[in-house]
Amino acid sequence: GAGVSQTPSNKVTEKGKYVELRCDPISGHTALYWYRQSLGQGPEFLIYFQGTGAADDSGLPNDRFFAVRPEGSVSTLKIQRTERGDSAVYLCASSQMGQGYGYTFGSGTRLTVV
Amino acid sequence: GNSVTQMEGPVTLSEEAFLTINCTYTATGYPSLFWYVQYPGEGLQLLLKATKADDKGSNKGFEATYRKETTSFHLEKGSVQVSDSAVYFCALNTNSGNTPLVFGKGTRLSVIA
Repeated sequence: GAGVSQTPSNKVTEKGKYVELRCDPISGHTALYWYRQSLGQGPEFLIYFQGTGAADDSGLPNDRFFAVRPEGSVSTLKIQRTERGDSAVYLCASSQMGQGYGYTFGSGTRLTVV
Repeated sequence: GNSVTQMEGPVTLSEEAFLTINCTYTATGYPSLFWYVQYPGEGLQLLLKATKADDKGSNKGFEATYRKETTSFHLEKGSVQVSDSAVYFCALNTNSGNTPLVFGKGTRLSVIA
């Protein structure tokens, strides 16, 4: 696609529920990244995929968070037993491989846990 | 580990004023440096980048020079406009295992007419 697409744009869920956030990267971008941005803060790294495999998941805060990219394109971030502290904007980005390439970010999914 | 420190905002300037937003970094290996911008209600956009020491990145009148000796990548613009009002993020990654971008906390710029 022309850009990185994230759905839904907004999600309100009750504490304890399960949510899935979807990211559709730019076609041909092999690297895909998930970040979380809280109000007034910079993006915080969660997980990075190179192709289908998670190359680095060191940023996932705990085992309630999980992400997949089964065919090396679309990725889904899954959060189990949501807590109010999970409320944030979840950003997805994709890039070509290589250190000097910048990322193209999606518009994000604003998750609110009530 | 890798980290980025940028000046805290908010920064408020009058139109046509000179802008500097400071950014310093700590990195293992040889980092590439980036500035991203987030306009109100929009997603993060790459503004400029520099991939090696003494390189200057530039875009839309903004410039930043990769200074290895001072581990800095300060963002400058000679004459800001109201439309430059946004949050600016400094970021880096390194060639150590293709590490993900590490971002600073962001600096909010408000330009008033």
